[in-house]
Amino acid sequence: ETGVTQSPTHLIKTRGQQVTLRCSSQSGHNTVSWYQQALGQGPQFIFQYYREEENGRGNFPPRFSGLQFPNYSSELNVNALELDDSALYLCASSSRGYEQYFGPGTRLTVT
Amino acid sequence: GNSVTQMEGPVTLSEEAFLTINCTYTATGYPSLFWYVQYPGEGLQLLLKATKADDKGSNKGFEATYRKETTSFHLEKGSVQVSDSAVYFCALSDRDRGSTLGRLYFGRGTQLTVWP
Repeated sequence: ETGVTQSPTHLIKTRGQQVTLRCSSQSGHNTVSWYQQALGQGPQFIFQYYREEENGRGNFPPRFSGLQFPNYSSELNVNALELDDSALYLCASSSRGYEQYFGPGTRLTVT
Repeated sequence: GNSVTQMEGPVTLSEEAFLTINCTYTATGYPSLFWYVQYPGEGLQLLLKATKADDKGSNKGFEATYRKETTSFHLEKGSVQVSDSAVYFCALSDRDRGSTLGRLYFGRGTQLTVWP
């Protein structure tokens, strides 16, 4: 059974640019959630996708957007990057909404 | 609203010492509670869980009991090892019955360092 995978591992972008992060969910999971983890902090919920529809959103501006595909993989897009967007972005998949299994994360640095 | 409060770190222990990391929560409804562990440079791994009051979650020698009366879910281990050095996160899920949301609310994390 393949776990949750994310790409890329690391990314460096300039303020104002746009970025796309990718996540492949664990086999059999139909729900994907995205979290932002700033340095030294706990993860903060961005949004969740269930069967290709957004199914809840945290306190993040609209420049954070996402997609889920028919194979349940997902993308997180961030437009107009700001310095404060520098963080570890974590993807988690689940099949029942309770137990979320996390990928290794993408480390985004905005300069 | 929902929130999780963890004891401030870092926690530094000698090998074979007893570990307690305190976690309290505020929640509407009947949350599930979790402990996740994060090793350096990695994502989060689910360590243990409890889905209702008085449940005890356990894994790899770690235990935590869901205490509704004190709104707590403290993590304990009787004898820590160097390999337990990591950041530990307490979390709750607000998934109501019939809902698919299940977003996780995390504490700020507690850094544990175990010396040989």
